[in-house]
Amino acid sequence: EPEVTQTPSHQVTQMGQEVILRCVPISNHLYFYWYRQILGQKVEFLVSFYNNEISEKSEIFDDQFSVERPDGSNFTLKIRSTKLEDSAMYFCASSKGGGGSPLHFGNGTRLTVT
Amino acid sequence: QKEVEQNSGPLSVPEGAIASLNCTYSDRGSQSFFWYRQYSGKSPELIMFIYSNGDKEDGRFTAQLNKASQYVSLLIRDSQPSDSATYLCASDGGGNSGYSTLTFGKGTMLLVSP
Repeated sequence: EPEVTQTPSHQVTQMGQEVILRCVPISNHLYFYWYRQILGQKVEFLVSFYNNEISEKSEIFDDQFSVERPDGSNFTLKIRSTKLEDSAMYFCASSKGGGGSPLHFGNGTRLTVT
Repeated sequence: QKEVEQNSGPLSVPEGAIASLNCTYSDRGSQSFFWYRQYSGKSPELIMFIYSNGDKEDGRFTAQLNKASQYVSLLIRDSQPSDSATYLCASDGGGNSGYSTLTFGKGTMLLVSP
């Protein structure tokens, strides 16, 4: 069964450093998302991406965050200058259709900011 | 503020019993509802989705939706120890966004004892 793949599985970085989290969505999916989950808390929406542009973003997704689809398969999340509070599990997801379509999540990248 | 509420549990049931997981949501505009299973340290895995009032069955799982009461539930029949996990309820904002910006509950931990 096709799946969303994410790399790396674990990233440790120092505060103030830039990180790029990578995702390969399911090949015939058109909508891409990033969510995050701080340890012990809810899964939170960050951003949705369709047709090579951001379609919606949450308050969490401030100027320190950016997303890109550099080629036909990868979808990346960049955090420009990491803060301690960015430590979380970051999940990439994709869906075939838009609103109401089930999201399929990748295995996640655990980001630890020290 | 869109909210999805779940009892955090744990909900303990013996093997072979029916587990009943419940969820309420605040946004009357929500159209689509999802149940995900999340094992500790892993990503959310889609179990079921439901759009219409009533019941939807898939194998051992039944999702129930009551939009008037803003209530969603998941029944797991013949519970197995491998069903032990946290079950996340999520609603899609609906409206005209066209994108699946899911709002998640904090999840209910289910423990199935052999």
